[in-house]
Amino acid sequence: KAGVTQTPRYLIKTRGQQVTLSCSPISGHRSVSWYQQTPGQGLQFLFEYFSETQRNKGNFPGRFSGRQFSNSRSEMNVSTLELGDSALYLCASSSTSGALEQYFGPGTRLTVT
Amino acid sequence: KNEVEQSPQNLTAQEGEFITINCSYSVGISALHWLQQHPGGGIVSLFMLSSGKKKHGRLIATINIQEKHSSLHITASHPRDSAVYICAVNQGAQKLVFGQGTRLTINP
Repeated sequence: KAGVTQTPRYLIKTRGQQVTLSCSPISGHRSVSWYQQTPGQGLQFLFEYFSETQRNKGNFPGRFSGRQFSNSRSEMNVSTLELGDSALYLCASSSTSGALEQYFGPGTRLTVT
Repeated sequence: KNEVEQSPQNLTAQEGEFITINCSYSVGISALHWLQQHPGGGIVSLFMLSSGKKKHGRLIATINIQEKHSSLHITASHPRDSAVYICAVNQGAQKLVFGQGTRLTINP
C-alpha cells in the first residue's frame, strides 16, 4: 500500500497571501488529521476530518480551515498568511475516526516571507 | 505546565550505549505513542502503548498507567538512531497531544 502523500513538499509564500496544502491518505483510510510543527510550539493538532466532516478542531484561528473530499483526500487552507505560520504541516491518516493509530505523511514545509 | 513532558530535551551518547528517554503526562489518555522524526521532517510511528511493554528490535517501550509515565529504551545504540523522538498521547478520540521531543545524537 502506498503511504500518506502530501503536496507540495515545499512552499514559499508572502505575508497576506493564502495557501492550500493537500493530503492523500492511505488507500482505505477515511480519517485525516492535520498538525502544525514549529520550533517554538512543537507539534500541535489542527483538525481532523472523517467522511467529509470536521470531527475535531484544535486551538487555531479561523484563518486555518480544511475540507475533505469523497475520496478521503483532504486539503488545508491558510488565509492571510502571517510570518508565524511558517512551519512544517503534517497530515496523518487512520482507518476511521477515533482510531488510535495514525500514519504520518512527509509534511509540507511552508515558509512565509 | 505542558500536558506531556519529555526528558531529556537533548541527549548525546556514544555508539553502543543504552539510551533512555522519559515521558510524563498529566491527563487521562487512551494510548501513548512514541514517534521518530528524522531531519527532513517525516514522522514514523515506533510504538503505540496502552499498558505494559513492547519491544521491536533494539527498541523497547514501557508505560506505567498509575504513575502516568513512559520510557523509550534503545539498546546498542547506533548513529542511525540519531533523530528526534516524540512522545504523544491520545487525549480522547483522534486528538494527539505531543511532548516537545528529545533530540538524540549518537556519535560513532
